[in-house]
Amino acid sequence: QKEVEQNSGPLSVPEGAIASLNCTYSDRGSQSFFWYRQYSGKSPELIMSIYSNGDKEDGRFTAQLNKASQYVSLLIRDSQPSDSATYLCAVSVIDAGGTSYGKLTFGQGTILTVHP
Amino acid sequence: GAVVSQHPSWVICKSGTSVKIECRSLDFQATTMFWYRQFPKQSLMLMATSNEGSKATYEQGVEKDKFLINHASLTLSTLTVTSAHPEDSSFYICSDGVPAFFGQGTRLTVV
Repeated sequence: QKEVEQNSGPLSVPEGAIASLNCTYSDRGSQSFFWYRQYSGKSPELIMSIYSNGDKEDGRFTAQLNKASQYVSLLIRDSQPSDSATYLCAVSVIDAGGTSYGKLTFGQGTILTVHP
Repeated sequence: GAVVSQHPSWVICKSGTSVKIECRSLDFQATTMFWYRQFPKQSLMLMATSNEGSKATYEQGVEKDKFLINHASLTLSTLTVTSAHPEDSSFYICSDGVPAFFGQGTRLTVV
């Protein structure tokens, strides 16, 4: 069983719609959770981080975490064609207390396409 | 956290040669840095953890004699791919452990 699982997609949504991306993880010791956006040929870019159960909103992005269900999601509202990318879910077993989050375990990524 | 600078951004080398990739933490003293590898259409996989002043820790299945890591200072870690082969062609990315900061990545193509 993979440690971090995502639907590989592709997920296609019309411009202006809500895109919903999901991720499950197997290690109950995971403390920190991240969503990255990666354009082709580029490094991942951090979009959201979340550490406690519930929702966290930042602009058009909302991350949701449910540790009991070992589930984390990302909602993108008012999706734009520029949001078309691969979205990577990552987890770390190190909490936010230190300066380093240690190694990250990534899911396989979900390809999102936003069409005009 | 710090901006992480990685160099070169791309390199093409002949099979059997060695390639060195540098990763610098520009304004943060990183005692630990992380090297990831990403094959086409796949996710990032951790290769090794670079430890300043001590030996690197390699993930299972990564050959330590092939992927030499040196972390000689608090701001510089290097990854050397020795005797590179076409199957080593990949996107190599470093991190100083702060989630927001990855290097720009190095696209290695071995011909």
